[in-house]
Amino acid sequence: AQKITQTQPGMFVQEKEAVTLDCTYDTSDPSYGLFWYKQPSSGEMIFLIYQGSYDQQNATEGRYSLNFQKARKSANLVISASQLGDSAMYFCAMREGLGLGRLYFGRGTQLTVWP
Amino acid sequence: DSGVTQTPKHLITATGQRVTLRCSPRSGDLSVYWYQQSLDQGLQFLIQYYNGEERAKGNILERFSAQQFPDLHSELNLSSLELGDSALYFCASSVAGDTGELFFGEGSRLTVL
Repeated sequence: AQKITQTQPGMFVQEKEAVTLDCTYDTSDPSYGLFWYKQPSSGEMIFLIYQGSYDQQNATEGRYSLNFQKARKSANLVISASQLGDSAMYFCAMREGLGLGRLYFGRGTQLTVWP
Repeated sequence: DSGVTQTPKHLITATGQRVTLRCSPRSGDLSVYWYQQSLDQGLQFLIQYYNGEERAKGNILERFSAQQFPDLHSELNLSSLELGDSALYFCASSVAGDTGELFFGEGSRLTVL
């Protein structure tokens, strides 16, 4: 089974609007971390936001927030007030357990912001 | 700038050849990860090293090998290259902490002709 599922290959949003990118995960480990990365067309992978499985509150970083629904095993990324520079591929990832284990990545969602 | 340095940035070679990709992690990071990104396979985990020791192995082919040296830099060796090995190869490093996120290098884009 896929550890991380991103069901939206592509999303479009108008500038200044909010957009939600979906991510579901699968693990039986009670301790895990969820990550979102952004990959612009230039190729680099940029860390955006992190949510730990024991965190009570949804993580926020500037215009990024993570809508963490533990029972549903979902970790959706919400980008508020979209900007043209937000156009990129977005990857959801998970680490199982504590420590420095590998990250499992989803297939990504290509976000296009139009003026 | 993530602090992770990868060389070369671009590499073009022929089938059957061997190449070495190099990675210098962020200062102080003991853990190094290698990922392969291709259009059809997405981001595939290859291998992880921690302080010189192999920590975890993913979908790494037998034609590929890696190591982490005492100064913590790492090398990924790809041999008997095939067309399908053309991909973007990322190195990432991490340190134990609150989140333990991976810091990625800019990647080495390998093209096999």
